[in-house]
Amino acid sequence: QVQLVQSGAEVKKPGASVKVSCKASGYSFSSHGISWVRQAPGQGLEWMGWISAYNGNTNYAQKVQGKVTMTTDTSTSTAYMEVRSLRSDDTAVYYCARLGIMAKPLWGQGTLVTVSS
Amino acid sequence: NFMLTQPHSVSESPGKTVTIACTGSSGSIASNYVQWYQQRPGSAPTTVIYEDNQRPSGVPDRFSGSIDSSSNSASLTISGLKTEDEADYYCQSYHTSDHVVFGGGTKLTVL
Repeated sequence: QVQLVQSGAEVKKPGASVKVSCKASGYSFSSHGISWVRQAPGQGLEWMGWISAYNGNTNYAQKVQGKVTMTTDTSTSTAYMEVRSLRSDDTAVYYCARLGIMAKPLWGQGTLVTVSS
Repeated sequence: NFMLTQPHSVSESPGKTVTIACTGSSGSIASNYVQWYQQRPGSAPTTVIYEDNQRPSGVPDRFSGSIDSSSNSASLTISGLKTEDEADYYCQSYHTSDHVVFGGGTKLTVL
Protein backbone atom coordinates (compact mmCIF):
# COMPACT_ATOMS: atom_id res chain seq x y z
CA GLN A 1 0.00 0.00 0.00
CA VAL A 2 1.35 3.38 -1.04
CA GLN A 3 1.38 5.56 2.05
CA LEU A 4 3.20 8.02 4.27
CA VAL A 5 2.94 7.35 8.01
CA GLN A 6 3.96 10.08 10.42
CA SER A 7 5.04 9.98 14.05
CA GLY A 8 2.66 10.78 16.87
CA ALA A 9 1.58 14.01 18.52
CA GLU A 10 4.09 16.03 20.52
CA VAL A 11 3.83 18.57 23.32
CA LYS A 12 6.85 20.83 23.73
CA LYS A 13 7.81 23.81 25.84
CA PRO A 14 8.77 27.12 24.24
CA GLY A 15 12.40 27.13 23.14
CA ALA A 16 12.54 23.38 22.67
CA SER A 17 12.95 21.45 19.41
CA VAL A 18 10.80 18.79 17.83
CA LYS A 19 11.61 16.18 15.18
CA VAL A 20 8.76 14.67 13.17
CA SER A 21 9.22 11.53 11.09
CA CYS A 22 7.47 10.39 7.93
CA LYS A 23 7.91 6.77 6.77
CA ALA A 24 7.15 5.96 3.15
CA SER A 25 6.04 2.60 1.86
CA GLY A 26 4.70 1.12 -1.36
CA TYR A 27 6.83 3.15 -3.77
CA SER A 28 10.45 3.89 -4.59
CA PHE A 29 11.32 6.42 -1.88
CA SER A 30 14.40 7.77 -3.63
CA SER A 31 12.47 8.56 -6.80
CA HIS A 32 10.47 11.44 -5.33
CA GLY A 33 10.93 14.40 -3.01
CA ILE A 34 9.04 15.04 0.19
CA SER A 35 7.42 18.35 1.09
CA TRP A 36 6.49 19.45 4.59
CA VAL A 37 3.31 21.48 5.05
CA ARG A 38 2.11 23.28 8.17
CA GLN A 39 -1.46 24.09 9.16
CA ALA A 40 -1.96 26.31 12.19
CA PRO A 41 -5.32 26.09 13.97
CA GLY A 42 -8.08 27.49 11.76
CA GLN A 43 -5.61 28.44 9.03
CA GLY A 44 -4.74 27.25 5.54
CA LEU A 45 -1.98 25.03 4.24
CA GLU A 46 1.52 26.53 4.32
CA TRP A 47 4.36 24.92 2.39
CA MET A 48 7.52 24.82 4.52
CA GLY A 49 9.99 23.21 2.18
CA TRP A 50 11.08 20.23 0.13
CA ILE A 51 13.79 17.63 0.27
CA SER A 52 14.97 15.35 -2.50
CA ALA A 53 14.97 11.76 -1.31
CA TYR A 54 17.46 11.04 -4.10
CA ASN A 55 20.33 13.33 -3.08
CA GLY A 56 19.17 15.24 0.01
CA ASN A 57 18.95 18.61 -1.72
CA THR A 58 16.61 20.97 0.09
CA ASN A 59 14.61 24.10 -0.67
CA TYR A 60 13.10 25.88 2.33
CA ALA A 61 10.40 28.53 2.35
CA GLN A 62 11.91 31.87 3.26
CA LYS A 63 9.75 32.08 6.39
CA VAL A 64 11.35 28.98 7.99
CA GLN A 65 14.95 29.40 6.79
CA GLY A 66 17.28 28.76 9.72
CA LYS A 67 14.51 27.33 11.93
CA VAL A 68 13.81 24.06 10.13
CA THR A 69 16.02 21.20 8.95
CA MET A 70 14.77 18.45 6.65
CA THR A 71 16.62 15.18 6.26
CA THR A 72 16.04 11.71 4.88
CA ASP A 73 17.22 8.19 5.65
CA THR A 74 16.99 6.14 2.47
CA SER A 75 17.82 2.92 4.36
CA THR A 76 14.48 3.15 6.16
CA SER A 77 12.57 5.23 3.57
CA THR A 78 11.96 7.87 6.21
CA ALA A 79 11.96 11.65 6.01
CA TYR A 80 12.46 13.88 9.03
CA MET A 81 11.78 17.50 9.84
CA GLU A 82 13.24 19.24 12.87
CA VAL A 83 11.84 22.56 14.06
CA ARG A 84 13.97 24.50 16.54
CA SER A 85 13.33 27.32 19.02
CA LEU A 86 9.65 26.51 19.22
CA ARG A 87 7.19 29.30 19.98
CA SER A 88 3.48 29.19 20.68
CA ASP A 89 2.75 30.17 17.09
CA ASP A 90 4.50 26.99 15.92
CA THR A 91 1.52 25.05 17.31
CA ALA A 92 0.13 23.36 14.23
CA VAL A 93 -0.49 20.13 12.42
CA TYR A 94 2.55 19.24 10.33
CA TYR A 95 2.08 17.11 7.23
CA CYS A 96 4.59 15.37 5.04
CA ALA A 97 3.48 14.96 1.45
CA ARG A 98 4.72 13.77 -1.90
CA LEU A 99 3.82 16.73 -4.10
CA GLY A 100 6.31 16.46 -6.91
CA ILE A 101 5.49 17.37 -10.47
CA MET A 102 6.03 13.81 -11.71
CA ALA A 103 4.09 11.96 -9.01
CA LYS A 104 0.53 11.54 -7.86
CA PRO A 105 0.03 13.51 -4.65
CA LEU A 106 0.31 11.54 -1.42
CA TRP A 107 -0.20 12.88 2.11
CA GLY A 108 0.72 11.69 5.56
CA GLN A 109 -1.90 11.69 8.29
CA GLY A 110 -0.45 14.72 10.03
CA THR A 111 1.35 15.27 13.34
CA LEU A 112 0.00 17.74 15.90
CA VAL A 113 2.74 19.71 17.61
CA THR A 114 1.57 21.74 20.58
CA VAL A 115 3.88 24.35 22.08
CA SER A 116 2.86 25.31 25.58
CA SER A 117 4.53 26.22 28.83
CA ASN B 1 6.88 35.19 -5.79
CA PHE B 2 4.16 33.20 -7.52
CA MET B 3 0.85 33.16 -5.60
CA LEU B 4 -2.49 31.43 -6.03
CA THR B 5 -5.69 33.26 -5.07
CA GLN B 6 -8.98 31.55 -4.22
CA PRO B 7 -12.30 32.93 -2.98
CA HIS B 8 -12.55 32.66 0.79
CA SER B 9 -15.93 30.94 0.66
CA VAL B 10 -18.67 29.74 -1.67
CA SER B 11 -22.09 28.28 -1.00
CA GLU B 12 -24.62 26.43 -3.07
CA SER B 13 -27.60 24.15 -2.68
CA PRO B 14 -27.61 20.36 -2.89
CA GLY B 15 -27.92 19.09 -6.45
CA LYS B 16 -26.50 22.29 -7.96
CA THR B 17 -23.10 22.92 -9.55
CA VAL B 18 -20.35 25.06 -8.03
CA THR B 19 -17.05 26.23 -9.49
CA ILE B 20 -14.07 27.33 -7.41
CA ALA B 21 -11.45 29.42 -9.19
CA CYS B 22 -7.73 29.56 -8.44
CA THR B 23 -5.94 32.48 -10.10
CA GLY B 24 -2.21 32.67 -10.65
CA SER B 25 -0.42 35.94 -9.82
CA SER B 26 2.10 35.89 -12.63
CA GLY B 27 3.40 33.82 -15.49
CA SER B 28 1.19 31.16 -17.01
CA ILE B 29 -0.77 28.86 -14.72
CA ALA B 30 -0.78 26.39 -17.60
CA SER B 31 3.02 26.03 -17.32
CA ASN B 32 2.76 23.70 -14.29
CA TYR B 33 0.20 21.18 -13.14
CA VAL B 34 -2.50 22.21 -10.70
CA GLN B 35 -3.84 19.92 -7.99
CA TRP B 36 -6.97 20.28 -5.87
CA TYR B 37 -7.36 18.96 -2.33
CA GLN B 38 -10.42 18.47 -0.17
CA GLN B 39 -10.03 18.81 3.57
CA ARG B 40 -12.73 18.01 6.08
CA PRO B 41 -12.40 19.25 9.69
CA GLY B 42 -9.89 17.26 11.66
CA SER B 43 -8.64 15.30 8.66
CA ALA B 44 -5.65 15.41 6.35
CA PRO B 45 -6.14 16.77 2.83
CA THR B 46 -7.18 14.28 0.17
CA THR B 47 -6.65 14.66 -3.56
CA VAL B 48 -9.72 15.23 -5.71
CA ILE B 49 -7.91 16.43 -8.87
CA TYR B 50 -4.26 16.09 -9.92
CA GLU B 51 -2.40 17.15 -13.07
CA ASP B 52 -5.05 19.79 -13.88
CA ASN B 53 -7.92 17.42 -14.63
CA GLN B 54 -7.16 13.86 -13.51
CA ARG B 55 -9.30 12.17 -10.89
CA PRO B 56 -7.77 9.66 -8.49
CA SER B 57 -9.56 6.34 -8.30
CA GLY B 58 -12.47 6.58 -5.91
CA VAL B 59 -13.21 10.26 -6.60
CA PRO B 60 -16.63 10.57 -8.28
CA ASP B 61 -16.87 12.07 -11.75
CA ARG B 62 -18.92 14.90 -10.22
CA PHE B 63 -15.50 16.47 -9.60
CA SER B 64 -13.67 17.97 -12.57
CA GLY B 65 -10.74 20.31 -13.11
CA SER B 66 -9.83 22.68 -15.90
CA ILE B 67 -7.39 25.41 -16.90
CA ASP B 68 -8.33 28.75 -18.49
CA SER B 69 -5.21 30.41 -19.88
CA SER B 70 -7.10 33.59 -20.80
CA SER B 71 -7.81 34.32 -17.12
CA ASN B 72 -4.67 32.53 -15.86
CA SER B 73 -6.92 30.43 -13.66
CA ALA B 74 -7.59 26.85 -12.73
CA SER B 75 -11.06 25.75 -11.73
CA LEU B 76 -12.58 22.96 -9.70
CA THR B 77 -16.18 22.18 -10.63
CA ILE B 78 -18.41 20.00 -8.47
CA SER B 79 -21.74 19.01 -9.97
CA GLY B 80 -24.71 17.37 -8.29
CA LEU B 81 -23.62 18.80 -4.95
CA LYS B 82 -24.06 16.63 -1.88
CA THR B 83 -23.90 17.68 1.75
CA GLU B 84 -20.83 15.45 2.11
CA ASP B 85 -18.96 17.76 -0.31
CA GLU B 86 -18.99 20.48 2.35
CA ALA B 87 -15.30 21.02 3.14
CA ASP B 88 -12.31 23.28 2.53
CA TYR B 89 -10.75 23.07 -0.92
CA TYR B 90 -7.16 24.05 -1.76
CA CYS B 91 -5.49 24.46 -5.12
CA GLN B 92 -1.75 23.77 -5.41
CA SER B 93 0.86 24.33 -8.08
CA TYR B 94 4.56 25.17 -8.33
CA HIS B 95 6.76 28.26 -8.44
CA THR B 96 9.67 26.05 -9.51
CA SER B 97 9.96 22.26 -9.58
CA ASP B 98 11.08 22.27 -5.93
CA HIS B 99 8.88 25.13 -4.65
CA VAL B 100 5.24 24.28 -3.97
CA VAL B 101 2.53 26.94 -3.76
CA PHE B 102 -0.91 26.60 -2.17
CA GLY B 103 -3.95 28.77 -2.60
CA GLY B 104 -5.47 30.19 0.57
CA GLY B 105 -8.34 27.72 0.55
CA THR B 106 -12.08 27.98 -0.11
CA LYS B 107 -14.74 26.95 2.37
CA LEU B 108 -17.60 25.25 0.52
CA THR B 109 -20.96 25.31 2.25
CA VAL B 110 -23.73 23.11 0.89
CA LEU B 111 -27.09 24.27 2.20
